[in-house]
This record gives sequence, C-alpha cells and structure tokens, in this order.
Amino acid sequence: DQQVKQNSPSLSVQEGRISILNCDYTNSMFDYFLWYKKYPAEGPTFLISISSIKDKNEDGRFTVFLNKSAKHLSLHIVPSQPGDSAVYFCAASESGGGADGLTFGKGTHLIIQP
Amino acid sequence: DSGVTQTPKHLITATGQRVTLRCSPRSGDLSVYWYQQSLDQGLQFLIHYYNGEERAKGNILERFSAQQFPDLHSELNLSSLELGDSALYFCASNEGYSGNTIYFGEGSWLTVV
Repeated sequence: DQQVKQNSPSLSVQEGRISILNCDYTNSMFDYFLWYKKYPAEGPTFLISISSIKDKNEDGRFTVFLNKSAKHLSLHIVPSQPGDSAVYFCAASESGGGADGLTFGKGTHLIIQP
Repeated sequence: DSGVTQTPKHLITATGQRVTLRCSPRSGDLSVYWYQQSLDQGLQFLIHYYNGEERAKGNILERFSAQQFPDLHSELNLSSLELGDSALYFCASNEGYSGNTIYFGEGSWLTVV
C-alpha cells in the first residue's frame, strides 16, 4: 500500500507560468515532508521541506503548502523556468527523523515548455 | 555535488552473479541509507545504517545485504542476481539518526543480463 502518492505521472507547464505539483499521504504519523528534484542520470536533490507544525514554507521561487486535515501537500514553482524540467519526488517521514528512511512517492515528471 | 560518492556508476553482470556497490557518505555524516529505484517505481527504502550499526530495514531481499565500516563508508552486496534486480541503486546520507533531510549520491546503475 502506497503511503505517499503522486497521482500525476507528468505535468506540462508553459515557461513563466506557475507549476503546481501535488502529493497525498495516508500515514497520519508522518510529520515532516520534503520535495526532491531529479534530473536524468543524477541522484535526487533536496529542494524544500516542511514540518507539520507549519502550513507553508517558502524558498525563492519554491513554496510548499501542507494541508494536514486533507493529508495533502503541494509544491508551487513561480515562475517556471526551463531548468525546472525534471522529476519531482514527494517524501515523508515520521517524528524523530529518518530511522526508517524517507517514504517516497513515484514522482511527477515536470516539463516546462518554452 | 551532494558530497555522497557511489561506485561503480554502471555495472552489467549476468544472472546468478554477485556484485558489491560502494558508498562514501558526506563528510561528518554518520547515517547511510540505501534505496532502489526500478522502472516505474519510486524510491524504495532498503536499509539504514548509523555509525556502523543497522538501524532499520525496508524492502530488502534476503539475497541482499549491507554493512557500514568504521570509516563510515558502506557497501551493498547483491547476490544470486536476477533480471528483476536491474535497477538504479542510490546511497544517501545525513548527519545522524534524527536527521530528516537526506542527501543522495548519483546512483549505481545495475543491469543484470
């Protein structure tokens, strides 16, 4: 049973517009959430994270929103740039950190069109 | 560059064989994690070592084993390889047991033929 779900395998967005990537989770014990970005032939790179005590975290063009009641988080990229084209993984962990590692979704392939 | 080093980057081997994947964590990191990414699958957690001791096991097959050495580098041993073991194997590290963010290496591509 997938505890972290990214229901959109791919997303195409025009350059300059907003990209919104979504993630749902089922495990109510998760209290720390992360987004990773992955280019082909490279390892995932940490992008941004959010603790369950917050509902929003912003870092430059990237903002993550957390809705605990809906068990849903989203990553907003504004404005989208060609270099943002990559696979984005949502990940979650339980309190105390990564003893069991992070639980990842299957990823969303974001394509930024010129 | 995350600071996590994995070797080899690519490996092709035959069914039934055994291979060892190597990982050097970021300087100062005590925790090492191994993940597997197969086609159409997300990143599957295999195992976590902290300062030489096994901390948690995920979906790791009995044919697979790992260890972390005193210098903190880690090795993932895959034996009796099957075609389905072909995947990208990632090592990741962080500073300690309670760290949430982990930093990935570039992965080792294993192809079993």
